[in-house]
Amino acid sequence: EAGVTQFPSHSVIEKGQTVTLRCDPISGHDNLYWYRRVMGKEIKFLLHFVKESKQDESGMPNNRFLAERTGGTYSTLKVQPAELEDSGVYFCASSQKINYGYTFGSGTRLTVV
Amino acid sequence: GIQVEQSPPDLILQEGANSTLRCNFSDSVNNLQWFHQNPWGQLINLFYIPSGTKQNGRLSATTVATERYSLLYISSSQTTDSGVYFCAVRPGNQFYFGTGTSLTVIP
Repeated sequence: EAGVTQFPSHSVIEKGQTVTLRCDPISGHDNLYWYRRVMGKEIKFLLHFVKESKQDESGMPNNRFLAERTGGTYSTLKVQPAELEDSGVYFCASSQKINYGYTFGSGTRLTVV
Repeated sequence: GIQVEQSPPDLILQEGANSTLRCNFSDSVNNLQWFHQNPWGQLINLFYIPSGTKQNGRLSATTVATERYSLLYISSSQTTDSGVYFCAVRPGNQFYFGTGTSLTVIP
């Protein structure tokens, strides 16, 4: 089966610009998660979708971040406007059911200059 | 939230050597996974191991849930094993990651 796909793999933008990251989960996986690792720190949870609904968005850092999952398939994570501290690697993961193992995507490395 | 500690933080091995990475966690969990982040940043799932022992080639993992720790064994290390190894636990909905063990295998 195809894995979790994320794109772009790398994005370099200027402070104040907008960037949209995309994640395509494994087909049939209702649960989709976003995580990120900012420089030198641990990987942290951002939010969790069950199908198209946000189950938990307690990890979203502020209102510059907007995640959507229209139709319960792929998801987008928009950062607007981007700040320098948003630089890091953004990971998406999916699972068939909540207590099953996750499969992570390759991540999107975001660099804000 | 739950605390996840990994040791050692850094490890340098000669190719062919064996190593053990440890993950301690502060509370009961129903899910634990080990991941390898390779030098290209990709996060690769190694084991889904909430309890017991699993083996996959040169890698094996053991989780003793009642004592709140997990071990990852790497045998006959290769340069391609280099990268950061993360343990992640899930007491509920979200994963909590450790800060990782950075492994460098030198030829």
